[in-house]
Amino acid sequence: KNQVEQSPQSLIILEGKNCTLQCNYTVSPFSNLRWYKQDTGRGPVSLTIMTFSENTKSNGRYTATLDADTKQSSLHITASQLSDSASYICVVTLMNTGFQKLVFGTGTRLLVSP
Amino acid sequence: ETGVTQTPRHLVMGMTNKKSLKCEQHLGHNAMYWYKQSAKKPLELMFVYSLEERVENNSVPSRFSPECPNSSHLFLHLHTLQPEDSALYLCASSQDRTGGFRTDTQYFGPGTRLTVL
Repeated sequence: KNQVEQSPQSLIILEGKNCTLQCNYTVSPFSNLRWYKQDTGRGPVSLTIMTFSENTKSNGRYTATLDADTKQSSLHITASQLSDSASYICVVTLMNTGFQKLVFGTGTRLLVSP
Repeated sequence: ETGVTQTPRHLVMGMTNKKSLKCEQHLGHNAMYWYKQSAKKPLELMFVYSLEERVENNSVPSRFSPECPNSSHLFLHLHTLQPEDSALYLCASSQDRTGGFRTDTQYFGPGTRLTVL
C-alpha cells in the first residue's frame, strides 16, 4: 500500500533554533518527493522537489534530503522564524503516464515560539 | 493566492441544502484537482480533470459532483451532505504532459472551509 508517514506529529521550538522533520514512504513506482508548507487557512505551497537521483535540495533556510534506498526524507529548517509556524507536508508522486497521483503525509505541525 | 482562487472561503450549510464551490486558475494549466483535507488525515484526492479527461475516485460519494466547463474553471456541486463531510476543500492545478518523467508542481488554492450542520 502506498503510504507516507511523517514524524513528529507536532513540534514546538524557540525562534532562532534549528529543527528537522522526518518523512518515510512506501510508494512505488517513485517519481519525486516534495515538501509543502501549509499556513493556517491557506493551501499548501511547494518548498522543494527531489527526484530519485537527488540527495539534497535547498530553498533558503529550508534544506531537504532524500535517501531513495531507505525511502526516507528529511526537511531541515535553519534559524527558525515565527513565520515558519505552519504544517509541513511530505508528498510523494507516483510515476505513471496518466494524471499526477500524489500520496500525502499527514504533516508535521510546527510552532515557532518567541 | 492569485494563481488559484477559490470561493467561497467559508461555507456553512444544512444537510438538505445544495451549494457549489468554485475554483479558478490563472496559470494556464491544463489539469485541475479537488482534494478534501480533514483534521489529522492526509489530503484525499476526490476528482481530477487532466488533459480534458475526467478521472474519478470511486470512493467519493455521489453527493459530490464535479464540473469542469473549461481548463480554467472547476466546480464542486454539493447536495444532501453529511456532517462528516465538514472539511477543508482544496483545489489545485498543474501543467500535465502525456507520458514521460513528471515533475509538474501542483499549485493549490486557499481552500473552502465547509461546515455541514
